[in-house]
Amino acid sequence: NAGVTQTPKFQVLKTGQSMTLQCAQDMNHNSMYWYRQDPGMGLRLIYYSASEGTTDKGEVPNGYNVSRLNKREFSLRLESAAPSQTSVYFCASTRDRGRAQPQHFGDGTRLSIL
Amino acid sequence: QKEVEQDPGPLSVPEGAIVSLNCTYSNSAFQYFMWYRQYSRKGPELLMYTYSSGNKEDGRFTAQVDKSSKYISLFIRDSQPSDSATYLCAMTISSNAGGTSYGKLTFGQGTILTVHP
Repeated sequence: NAGVTQTPKFQVLKTGQSMTLQCAQDMNHNSMYWYRQDPGMGLRLIYYSASEGTTDKGEVPNGYNVSRLNKREFSLRLESAAPSQTSVYFCASTRDRGRAQPQHFGDGTRLSIL
Repeated sequence: QKEVEQDPGPLSVPEGAIVSLNCTYSNSAFQYFMWYRQYSRKGPELLMYTYSSGNKEDGRFTAQVDKSSKYISLFIRDSQPSDSATYLCAMTISSNAGGTSYGKLTFGQGTILTVHP
């Protein structure tokens, strides 16, 4: 039972390069989320998708775009990477946004931008 | 001021000790409270989930919520080296509050715990 799978696990980019982080869940969950985790900052929400076909901004959306490709997959894109986007990125999912349910997380993508 | 404040530690205790981890918050609309455990280079995993005020126990773990003081705690009894991890508190609003915040979690900064043999 894979749960939430993120690819790649590690990536190094140069400033200005673009990249897409992939996330897929096999739990038939409706809602999916992208977070970034920085030292001393906890987890901050970048974007979320309450259901297939919808996306909304979170706390720190600038510099990112998302696509809810289907019910299983939710991708995060950096169009022009900046050193401030060096972070660990986590994808999460819940069955139903409507019941404030706990989120299930992937193991993260560690992204360094030089 | 952050909505959720958590002492980042690090916290180092001997095996067998009782550990107390705490978070304070400012948004009175928070109704659902969670504790996540995160091992190094892994994603957070849910440890405890509580609704409104009160206590909840699960094995060696007890979660307490005091909404009047806007304060939540996680107690670990008989701590083990395998409990060494980062602990994150998280909370979200009630369904009745609605709005765009509904369903989103607000996290504390995380407390790094080391239990040494």
